[in-house]
Amino acid sequence: QKEVEQNSGPLSVPEGAIASLNCTYSDRGSQSFFWYRQYSGKSPELIMSIYSNGDKEDGRFTAQLNKASQYVSLLIRDSQPSDSATYLCAVNPVTYKYIFGTGTRLKVLA
Amino acid sequence: EAGVTQFPSHSVIEKGQTVTLRCDPISGHDNLYWYRRVMGKEIKFLLHFVKESKQDESGMPNNRFLAERTGGTYSTLKVQPAELEDSGVYFCASSQEIAGGYEQYFGPGTRLTVT
Repeated sequence: QKEVEQNSGPLSVPEGAIASLNCTYSDRGSQSFFWYRQYSGKSPELIMSIYSNGDKEDGRFTAQLNKASQYVSLLIRDSQPSDSATYLCAVNPVTYKYIFGTGTRLKVLA
Repeated sequence: EAGVTQFPSHSVIEKGQTVTLRCDPISGHDNLYWYRRVMGKEIKFLLHFVKESKQDESGMPNNRFLAERTGGTYSTLKVQPAELEDSGVYFCASSQEIAGGYEQYFGPGTRLTVT
């Protein structure tokens, strides 16, 4: 079992729809959770961080964390073609290092 | 504010040669990290510096890899001698401690190709 699992996709959604990206992790002691967006050939860009159970909203993005189920998700409302990218889930166990999933490729269709 | 920068952006070397990658973190960030992504795999942690001290180098593949951060500013990652399996994208990230977490900011990466 991988430490952080994501569906590789591609996840295709029409413009204006809600994109839902999911991530599960195996280390129950994990404390911090992050979503990065990566365009092809570019650096991973931090878009959301979440540290406690529940929802955290920032503009069109909502991160959801459920530690009991070891599950973190990212919702993108009103999806735009410019949101087409690979979304990486990163989990921070008790040490400083991040454990990454392989990423989910999102395609927003105009 | 300048982000994390890395040099070179791309390096092609032959097996057995030496390559040195450089990372300049965001100014004021004490924490510096190296990660690597090989084709088709997830980004994997290599090591972590706090200022000039290595805090965790558990992800370094073997002793052909040497990382330094003299003076606690920029860092270098040297691969000597390079092998084919070292090919991949090497990312550097930096962070400063914030309440409850350590948000890491990534550089653009160095794509290393060993032929």
